[in-house]
Amino acid sequence: EIVLTQSPDFQSVTPKEKVTITCRASQSIGSSLHWYQQKPDQSPKLLIKYASQSISGVPSRFSGSGSGTDFTLTINSLEAEDAATYYCHQSSSSPYTFGQGTKLEIK
Amino acid sequence: QVQLVQSGAEVKKPGASVKVSCKASGYTFTSYGISWVRQAPGQGLEWMGWISAYNGNTNYAQKLQGRVTMTTDTSTSTAYMELRSLRSDDTAVYYCARGGGGGYDLWGQGTLVTVSS
Repeated sequence: EIVLTQSPDFQSVTPKEKVTITCRASQSIGSSLHWYQQKPDQSPKLLIKYASQSISGVPSRFSGSGSGTDFTLTINSLEAEDAATYYCHQSSSSPYTFGQGTKLEIK
Repeated sequence: QVQLVQSGAEVKKPGASVKVSCKASGYTFTSYGISWVRQAPGQGLEWMGWISAYNGNTNYAQKLQGRVTMTTDTSTSTAYMELRSLRSDDTAVYYCARGGGGGYDLWGQGTLVTVSS
């Protein structure tokens, strides 16, 4: 089973700050890495697919990069509405595991 | 409107079974797979498996093998997830999501399944 390890687990940030969340896979997964945002009591929402592909309707301040084992989700100019937990997810090898999540708190 | 609508909350006793439905609308059901993901209270997301709505092929998480069955009814554009021999640690919100191997671009609202004696 591929283990995805996100860092940090928690981050407190101020509006307009740039945020970087990393996701490291226990073995190479190519570009089969996706990012989701989940707000309290809501279903997850797809932000980025296949490491760097943007999703229609998702603000352009969200971007993704990486391949192989190391991946990054970047949020430029953070907004208050970005307070949420962010998860990475791999679909390279079954079971299609998720990272443990990164909780963003807005100061 | 493109959406996935799930069945309502369930309370089950240990050892029982639960069957959660996920009705798709607004898109061609057989063009996408349906995946199931669960989330225990206060915890992260756990992938359970997926089913091809085109041909019914399934891929289950090994830890659930033998207890989970995913099916579809193409006549009603509905996917089902049945989990048997329920335990307390199966208490979770169960989500269906559109997609098989790639990013899941559409999610149901979630179904809370509580397992308690």
